[in-house]
Amino acid sequence: DQQVKQNSPSLSVQEGRISILNCDYTNSMFDYFLWYKKYPAEGPTFLISISSIKDKNEDGRFTVFLNKSAKHLSLHIVPSQPGDSAVYFCAADKFNFGNEKLTFGTGTRLTIIP
Amino acid sequence: ETGVTQSPTHLIKTRGQQVTLRCSSQSGHNTVSWYQQALGQGPQFIFQYYREEENGRGNFPPRFSGLQFPNYSSELNVNALELDDSALYLCASSPGTSGRGIKETQYFGPGTRLLVL
Repeated sequence: DQQVKQNSPSLSVQEGRISILNCDYTNSMFDYFLWYKKYPAEGPTFLISISSIKDKNEDGRFTVFLNKSAKHLSLHIVPSQPGDSAVYFCAADKFNFGNEKLTFGTGTRLTIIP
Repeated sequence: ETGVTQSPTHLIKTRGQQVTLRCSSQSGHNTVSWYQQALGQGPQFIFQYYREEENGRGNFPPRFSGLQFPNYSSELNVNALELDDSALYLCASSPGTSGRGIKETQYFGPGTRLLVL
């Protein structure tokens, strides 16, 4: 039972344009969402998060949008840079005081074309 | 400040054997979580340790066990290895509960790639 889904296994975007990565979830108990980025031979690196009390969180070039009614979130990267080429994982958590037990999606491989 | 480290980086075992994977948490972190990432999949939560006690477990059989030591380093042990145990095993540490309900970010190590033949 895949509770967090990333339906696009891969995405190619021209350098300088906007990259939009999508994620859907089925468990309405999830109330905290994160995006991680993973380079080959490295562990996932935290990128940005959003609590269910918000619908948008922005950090520099990265913005995460949350649509609770649709159980959908998206990560926008503007402008896209070659260093953004990586696998992006969406993850979700039920509020568990202080610590995270994350449920991950299957990932989207983003390739930025120079 | 050193990050999360894991050893070994790669490991080959045969079916039925036992394996121990090690993780050294980031300085000051008292919580460690272990994840299994099969090929083409996202990481799956195995279990979490907080101050040497198990603090939650995912849908993994009892032959997956763990330990956390007083210095907050950790081990993942897998007994009676099966072919499907072949995966990247990730360890993640976090500062632990702040007492204020603040979500703490997990920091991942590079992983141990286990191949079971």
